[in-house]
Amino acid sequence: GAVVSQHPSRVICKSGTSVKIECRSLDFQATTMFWYRQFPKQSLMLMATSNEGSKATYEQGVEKDKFLINHASLTLSTLTVTSAHPEDSSFYICSARTRATNEKLFFGSGTQLSVL
Amino acid sequence: GQNIDQPTEMTATEGAIVQINCTYQTSGFNGLFWYQQHAGEAPTFLSYNVLDGLEEKGRFSSFLSRSKGYSYLLLKELQMKDSASYLCAVRDPGSGYSTLTFGKGTMLLVSP
Repeated sequence: GAVVSQHPSRVICKSGTSVKIECRSLDFQATTMFWYRQFPKQSLMLMATSNEGSKATYEQGVEKDKFLINHASLTLSTLTVTSAHPEDSSFYICSARTRATNEKLFFGSGTQLSVL
Repeated sequence: GQNIDQPTEMTATEGAIVQINCTYQTSGFNGLFWYQQHAGEAPTFLSYNVLDGLEEKGRFSSFLSRSKGYSYLLLKELQMKDSASYLCAVRDPGSGYSTLTFGKGTMLLVSP
């Protein structure tokens, strides 16, 4: 099956710093990538959707200036949490959809962000 | 709006059968997915239904009734490793990107 690589898997940072999370589709071209956030014991909440070469579409309530998404190529998308605060501590997961199989989403392994 | 309901928790014993229900009310519908998620890990795909009926895949089966806005995931011959959260998700084509909306998940605990 298609593989999505996400790293880092875990990051601890100080309040006010920026953190970049990478999401790569290793063996397929991802036409669309999605970024989700998951708080403990809660479901995945979609943050934004990005298509290669175009600006990301953010969900209501998600600050686009705080969560910068870049989808520069068909195999790479990055999420940068700028000026992180403790309330940004969460599990961030990316997923990608292939050209060939529109039905399935393939998930990265997730990034646990802890902001001190 | 979007609303997806599933039970918060369920318990079952090893070797048994368990059915996890999911009901949804969405503005559009273009498929229902079930994912398994172990604690601290990303979800893994289990099944996809877009037409009414039962889809069987090994120990797992998924059923869909579009007219009732209802689906269930059936797990047979339960194993300890099946203890996980099971997420029901609906794809709504209305967004333009066919994004998935997830339910809150059902935490299944399998005991010996």
